[in-house]
Amino acid sequence: DGGITQSPKYLFRKEGQNVTLSCEQNLNHDAMYWYRQDPGQGLRLIYYSQIVNDFQKGDIAEGYSVSREKKESFPLTVTSAQKNPTAFYLCASSINLSAYEQYFGPGTRLTVT
Amino acid sequence: DAKTTQPPSMDCAEGRAANLPCNHSTISGNEYVYWYRQIHSQGPQYIIHGLKNNETNEMASLIITEDRKSSTLILPHATLRDTAVYYCIVRPSNQAGTALIFGKGTTLSVSS
Repeated sequence: DGGITQSPKYLFRKEGQNVTLSCEQNLNHDAMYWYRQDPGQGLRLIYYSQIVNDFQKGDIAEGYSVSREKKESFPLTVTSAQKNPTAFYLCASSINLSAYEQYFGPGTRLTVT
Repeated sequence: DAKTTQPPSMDCAEGRAANLPCNHSTISGNEYVYWYRQIHSQGPQYIIHGLKNNETNEMASLIITEDRKSSTLILPHATLRDTAVYYCIVRPSNQAGTALIFGKGTTLSVSS
């Protein structure tokens, strides 16, 4: 089945540690995105990529880093510089940046204590 | 900031039509109206989009006013599985690099 996978579903880390969230898609989509969602809030864009080896900062990129070495993969690293990393992280992809529909993964809930 | 205004919550009886309003009074001529929904602890799901004509698909209907300053998403026969947060989003179709901007949406509660 085609789709987007994110792993793990739940992730726990100690403060001060970097952590990498996985996102893989087999939809042959060029564009990929990372969003963050806090309780009772909408989604906020962290980073997006329109093609391999290219990515752009979104609205809240500070404390995060990404890479796009393969079309299928867009991992997100939450660094120790992120002041409030506990959140629900969602990865999405679309055929291109202008596509009508974005397909979302199931999300990773990160808890940092 | 989100360019849309939605009521924070709505209730609907199972089997009845759910009409979710959205105000987008500052919408530009090249901006589409999109609707997504998010079931608790899952990723958002695309529902429908439109520019100025009314649209219908297997999930819902989208009614856009003639001046395009507001729209209504209609779920014709709501079920318990339609309980979710519904997001109304406006976005230009021809502007590269514009990701979806999600506001707080409307929490729809469908009850039996």
